[in-house]
Amino acid sequence: QQQVKQSPQSLIVQKGGISIINCAYENTAFDYFPWYQQFPGKGPALLIAIRPDVSEKKEGRFTISFNKSAKQFSLHIMDSQPGDSATYFCAVETYEKLTFGTGTRLTIIP
Amino acid sequence: NAGVTQTPKFQVLKTGQSMTLQCAQDMNHEYMSWYRQDPGMGLRLIHYSVGAGITDQGEVPNGYNVSRSTTEDFPLRLLSAAPSQTSVYFCASSYSSLREDGDTQYFGPGTRLTVL
Repeated sequence: QQQVKQSPQSLIVQKGGISIINCAYENTAFDYFPWYQQFPGKGPALLIAIRPDVSEKKEGRFTISFNKSAKQFSLHIMDSQPGDSATYFCAVETYEKLTFGTGTRLTIIP
Repeated sequence: NAGVTQTPKFQVLKTGQSMTLQCAQDMNHEYMSWYRQDPGMGLRLIHYSVGAGITDQGEVPNGYNVSRSTTEDFPLRLLSAAPSQTSVYFCASSYSSLREDGDTQYFGPGTRLTVL
């Protein structure tokens, strides 16, 4: 039973473009929706997170859009840079447990 | 401030062997957890702890034991290693499980385990 579905599995974006990664969840009890960034050989690091009482959160070039009625949330990376090339995981959390999506490998090409 | 540390970085075991993966944090975090990361499956929660003396099971607890005798340490024990436990293991910690604003979950660098 997959509680959070992430797409696409991989994404190639040109430098300066917008990268968009989507996640859909099933359980309406989730109350915390973070995105993590992971570079090869490293542990994941929190990038940005949102709670269900807001529809959008922006931090620099990174924005989370949250659609509570559709049970979907997405990560937008504006002006994508080669340094953004990494694997991105969405996650959902409730009752002390964090459940991750399967990840999106993002590659930014010059 | 070393953050979350994990040892060893790499380990090769034979089927049936036991071992302990070490995890320590120096941030006085109450919440600690263990995940395994497998290709195409993201990270899956094995066990977690909300404070010293308190542990609970995550999504994939079978074959693993944990204990939390101090706030700083949260070791993960493999009782009898199996090839299906070949994975990268991450330990993480945060101030609480409530995930208040500003409470980040910090991940360690990982342990790459191979079971032959």
